[in-house]
Amino acid sequence: EAQVTQNPRYLITVTGKKLTVTCSQNMNHEYMSWYRQDPGLGLRQIYYSMNVEVTDKGDVPEGYKVSRKEKRNFPLILESPSPNQTSLYFCASSPTGTGGSEAFFGQGTRLTVV
Amino acid sequence: LAKTTQPISMDSYEGQEVNITCSHNNIATNDYITWYQQFPSQGPRFIIQGYKTKVTNEVASLFIPADRKSSTLSLPRVSLSDTAVYYCLVGGYRGSTLGRLYFGRGTQLTVWP
Repeated sequence: EAQVTQNPRYLITVTGKKLTVTCSQNMNHEYMSWYRQDPGLGLRQIYYSMNVEVTDKGDVPEGYKVSRKEKRNFPLILESPSPNQTSLYFCASSPTGTGGSEAFFGQGTRLTVV
Repeated sequence: LAKTTQPISMDSYEGQEVNITCSHNNIATNDYITWYQQFPSQGPRFIIQGYKTKVTNEVASLFIPADRKSSTLSLPRVSLSDTAVYYCLVGGYRGSTLGRLYFGRGTQLTVWP
């Protein structure tokens, strides 16, 4: 089944403790992206990757890192999480990063930083 | 980066047709217009996409006027299960705002019995 898989689905952590949220897609898509969703703010793009070893900042990259060593994986890294990073996170992939390309989203990761 | 403006919320009743309009005054020549649907605590799901005029699929229709500065998502005969947030996206086309996608706040559609 074609899908985007995020792990974990739920995570509670403490301020400053490094964490990684994994994202994997099995559709051989070139483009992958991370979003965070907060009440009243909609979906905001954190980082995106047009292909392996190519990443770029979205609208809210501060406090986050990403890497794209393989085509299928695009982990989101929080080196020193803070409470303002408490949010619902979504990973997405699409065949290309163009406007003519449908994006597929993961089920989300609900992160709480205390 | 072409941003979009949509109504924050809309209400409808079962069986009615719903039209959600999105404004995108700064749309670039090569930009597509894409609509997504999102249920609570789930990732957005692709509904429909178009470049100009009208596009129809089994779920919805998308109307785009000649100047492409707005678009209208039309949902025929909505049901309770259509209650969701609907996002209008513009751009990300190669050569313009490559890779950047702006979702905005979307439109919360509530369908009542």
